[in-house]
Amino acid sequence: KNQVEQSPQSLIILEGKNCTLQCNYTVSPFSNLRWYKQDTGRGPVSLTIMTFSENTKSNGRYTATLDADTKQSSLHITASQLSDSASYICVVSDSGSARQLTFGSGTQLTVLP
Amino acid sequence: GAGVSQSPSNKVTEKGKDVELRCDPISGHTALYWYRQSLGQGLEFLIYFQGNSAPDKSGLPSDRFSAERTGGSVSTLTIQRTQQEDSAVYLCASSLGLAATYEQYFGPGTRLTVT
Repeated sequence: KNQVEQSPQSLIILEGKNCTLQCNYTVSPFSNLRWYKQDTGRGPVSLTIMTFSENTKSNGRYTATLDADTKQSSLHITASQLSDSASYICVVSDSGSARQLTFGSGTQLTVLP
Repeated sequence: GAGVSQSPSNKVTEKGKDVELRCDPISGHTALYWYRQSLGQGLEFLIYFQGNSAPDKSGLPSDRFSAERTGGSVSTLTIQRTQQEDSAVYLCASSLGLAATYEQYFGPGTRLTVT
């Protein structure tokens, strides 16, 4: 069964600090991996999408890494801001069809002033 | 342009009643998806529509759930005889196509509470 596990479940950091969120998956065959940010009461918004051949991809202060051999991904947030407080969801696709998506349960990040 | 919109934003209903949830996708997006997000759980795929093709209903949890998409645009998710376990946030997303590289754009969701 395809699974996506995220850790930690929740994280509290101070504004300006960096943090790293983890995603392990057992989805096969792998197509791509996405990180989404979901603010409270809103729908998820895509941050990055990574295919098999990509190791690192950045989007502003967000940097995602992918190790397809160990089936692990991380999302690093640099110089956190209060607006980074949200749930971060890892999503893995196992085929060329978008409907074959497996969602992690998310990491709830809280950034305190 | 306008994003994906959903209505209502919140719905409280009594057990046993039917409910209809609406999704307006981004204009021009041929693919439309419905997901369910329960507290502390990952998004659960329910159904998707792609153009005029028959929808993939493989994620619908029971025959109480149904969905339709009229004119290739607006979609309605209907839950009949609601149960308390149906309480969740129902998210709709649309994309330009079904290929995994097309980004899905999500609506804000409808929070359904069954009392």
